Amino acid sequence: DAGVIQSPRHEVTEMGQEVTLRCKPISGHDYLFWYRQTMMRGLELLIYFNNNVPIDDSGMPEDRFSAKMPNASFSTLKIQPSEPRDSAVYFCASSFSLDRPKYFGAGTRLSVL
Amino acid sequence: EDQVTQSPEALRLQEGESSSLNCSYTVSGLRGLFWYRQDPGKGPEFLFTLYSAGEEKEKERLKATLTKKESFLHITAPKPEDSATYLCAVRKIGTGNQFYFGTGTSLTVIP
Repeated sequence: DAGVIQSPRHEVTEMGQEVTLRCKPISGHDYLFWYRQTMMRGLELLIYFNNNVPIDDSGMPEDRFSAKMPNASFSTLKIQPSEPRDSAVYFCASSFSLDRPKYFGAGTRLSVL
Repeated sequence: EDQVTQSPEALRLQEGESSSLNCSYTVSGLRGLFWYRQDPGKGPEFLFTLYSAGEEKEKERLKATLTKKESFLHITAPKPEDSATYLCAVRKIGTGNQFYFGTGTSLTVIP
């Protein structure tokens, strides 16, 4: 398996623009997670899905953030409108279950100018 | 308050100089403790899972141990390629946020 695949790897945008991050989880994994990593706050869980259904989105910072998982092999994280404080590395991860390890993608480095 | 704390924040070792990284946690109802390695510009890479106090796992120069309050990642005779940030994460029983990551220990092994 190719592992968790994220795109794009880098995104530079201007404040107010819409940003869409994409993720393809490992085939067979029932759980998909979106994390944000910054120097100040480390890794923060934003939302996770089980069998394509959002289970816990309590980590989503505000209504500007939304995530979808239309099928078992694809998820998106959308920020609209983007703000400079959204600049971070966003990781997608997947796992077989909550008790099993997560496998992370390479991340998307987002810079909002 | 549920919390995961890693120490030290940064560690510099000479090649071959063994040491330990610490991950202490205060979550109730531990379901699992995970160690990850993260290289610059990459996502965390899974190393070990520990589920109960007394458990130990080993892989090459790394050995992870778990007590009721903390976990240690022991590095024996490290090599420069072991340089990375090591993250621990805890999964707890319950509702709401069940996952907590520490902020990591940045390890540098000098040749």
